[in-house]
Amino acid sequence: DIQMTQSPSSLSASVGDRVTITCRASQGISNSLAWFQQKPGKAPQSLIYAASSLQSGVPSKFSGSGSGTDFTLTISSLQPEDSATYYCQQYKSYPLTFGGGTNVEIK
Amino acid sequence: EVQLVEAGGGLVQPGGSLILSCAASGFTFSDHYMDWVRQAPGKGLEWVGRTRNKANSYTREYAASVKGRITISRDESKNSLYLQVNSLKTEDTAVYYCVRVTPVKGYAPDYWGQGTLVTVSS
Repeated sequence: DIQMTQSPSSLSASVGDRVTITCRASQGISNSLAWFQQKPGKAPQSLIYAASSLQSGVPSKFSGSGSGTDFTLTISSLQPEDSATYYCQQYKSYPLTFGGGTNVEIK
Repeated sequence: EVQLVEAGGGLVQPGGSLILSCAASGFTFSDHYMDWVRQAPGKGLEWVGRTRNKANSYTREYAASVKGRITISRDESKNSLYLQVNSLKTEDTAVYYCVRVTPVKGYAPDYWGQGTLVTVSS
């Protein structure tokens, strides 16, 4: 199975800060990586697919990059509504696997 | 508008069975793969399994943790996805989500349902 390791597991940042979350795959997955945002008590929402493509309706402050084993999700200017847990998922091979999540808090 | 609405969750005794459903609307159901993903209370996301689309003969993949105890099926006439789980264990307690997977996006997941909670307890 491909292991997905996210870091950090949590972070606290100020409104307006640029925030970066990393996701590392235990083996190469090309660009078969997605990012999701989950707010407490809600279903996850898709943000990014194919490592860097924005899902429809997702604000452009979210961006993704990477290929192979190392990936990043960046929030260009953190806003209060971005407080959530963010997950990466590889969909290159079965079983599909998720990172452990990054909890983003607003200072 | 794409909508996925899960149903069928509830309290079940260990060893029991249940069938979850996911009603899909707003898109051509037969074009898409569909996944089930679950989330235990306070924990992360876990992929449970997948059914492929009509073009790929509705074949299925399952996670090892549930293989042999689950069956994923779909009814194209009802635009519905199903997850049957047998021999339920307390560790199956989770919110279960159905997720649409889009082939033209390289088989990436895009839309999620709101989830249905399954509690396995005596």
